[in-house]
Amino acid sequence: GAVVSQHPSRVICKSGTSVKIECRSLDFQATTMFWYRQFPKQSLMLMATSNEGSKATYEQGVEKDKFLINHASLTLSTLTVTSAHPEDSSFYICSATRRTSGGRDQFFGPGTRLTVL
Amino acid sequence: QKEVEQDPGPLSVPEGAIVSLNCTYSNSAFQYFMWYRQYSRKGPELLMYTYSSGNKEDGRFTAQVDKSSKYISLFIRDSQPSDSATYLCAMSFNDYKLSFGAGTTVTVRA
Repeated sequence: GAVVSQHPSRVICKSGTSVKIECRSLDFQATTMFWYRQFPKQSLMLMATSNEGSKATYEQGVEKDKFLINHASLTLSTLTVTSAHPEDSSFYICSATRRTSGGRDQFFGPGTRLTVL
Repeated sequence: QKEVEQDPGPLSVPEGAIVSLNCTYSNSAFQYFMWYRQYSRKGPELLMYTYSSGNKEDGRFTAQVDKSSKYISLFIRDSQPSDSATYLCAMSFNDYKLSFGAGTTVTVRA
């Protein structure tokens, strides 16, 4: 099967610090990875689309300088929340699309719960 | 108006009942339609994936797409307590980007 992992699963940090979240496709090469955030009882909101070796494409309203995305290889993308504040507390989920897939299926990671104090 | 509207629930059914979930959407350009299951504090898991209008069946799950009405459904037959989760509909154009519904929380009572 297609497995996507995220690390860490949970992080608590102080306001003003930066937090890095890793997303890995464990058994396939991902041409594209997506980053979402999800507030309690709300849907997933796409933050950015990340293609290996190129700059990420951010959705309207998402601050590029605050949410830094790096997609250095076909199996790893990172999201860094810079100078985090309490309003950044959320559930961050990544997904990855298989390189050889002809469809539009995405495989999701288990998510990272970020709490900013 | 949201791009994808989903019945908020929550929905509680007895074991063995049929679970019926629905979403409507506003943009007729959507071509790919998906249903995901999400357990608490976990990432979504793809259940059903359909292209264009029609029905698709996979075991106890049936997905229906009516593009003329901009309406999609998911039916779960012979529901089990293990089906208790949040179900998210999602839709896509041709560029991999998904638009999600808010999700319906389902509880199947033993």
